[in-house]
Amino acid sequence: AQKVTQAQTEISVVEKEDVTLDCVYETRDTTYYLFWYKQPPSGELVFLIRRNSFDEQNEISGRYSWNFQKSTSSFNFTITASQVVDSAVYFCALSEALPGILTGGGNKLTFGTGTQLKVEL
Amino acid sequence: NAGVTQTPKFQVLKTGQSMTLQCAQDMNHEYMSWYRQDPGMGLRLIHYSVGAGITDQGEVPNGYNVSRSTTEDFPLRLLSAAPSQTSVYFCASSYSTGEGEQFFGPGTRLTVL
Repeated sequence: AQKVTQAQTEISVVEKEDVTLDCVYETRDTTYYLFWYKQPPSGELVFLIRRNSFDEQNEISGRYSWNFQKSTSSFNFTITASQVVDSAVYFCALSEALPGILTGGGNKLTFGTGTQLKVEL
Repeated sequence: NAGVTQTPKFQVLKTGQSMTLQCAQDMNHEYMSWYRQDPGMGLRLIHYSVGAGITDQGEVPNGYNVSRSTTEDFPLRLLSAAPSQTSVYFCASSYSTGEGEQFFGPGTRLTVL
């Protein structure tokens, strides 16, 4: 069974600090996908990034960066120079490939329990 | 292009009542799913569908039914609501391949008294 662990329930930082959100996953699949979603106070889920299991390159997008390490089954997310607008719940998720008998495949996302990030002035 | 839409946004039910949460997408996605979000538990998969006429159970299917008669619509039915079904429900859709980003609807906040 797949599992995603986000051990940090809540993190509080002061604006402009860097912060890293941890994500550890478990899967027996050799092909899988990892995602990060942001849920701001308004409640919607916003897609941030997708990474497949064969691509261990780190990625940077503006103030956001992601570190994927298969050796430790981790996919950590760092926000540099945090801002108040970064305050949200962040979810890490793992995609499981559906059985081949189902047309087209598709994926089932297993979510972590989320990390509440509070950025204060 | 409206993306994924859900109705209603809020709903209050009494125990034993039935209702249908509506979900529609206009992106021609084959894959659709329903999740519930509870405090401290992240999102958990209820049911999913990989195309019209094909549905299957997720992690927490009990108390819920689904059907998929068209590519666009994927309603979630509560046959006899229970207080344990108080939650926020999200519908999502994606392309059929495993790597597809899932697009989420705005959610339905359901309270069962």
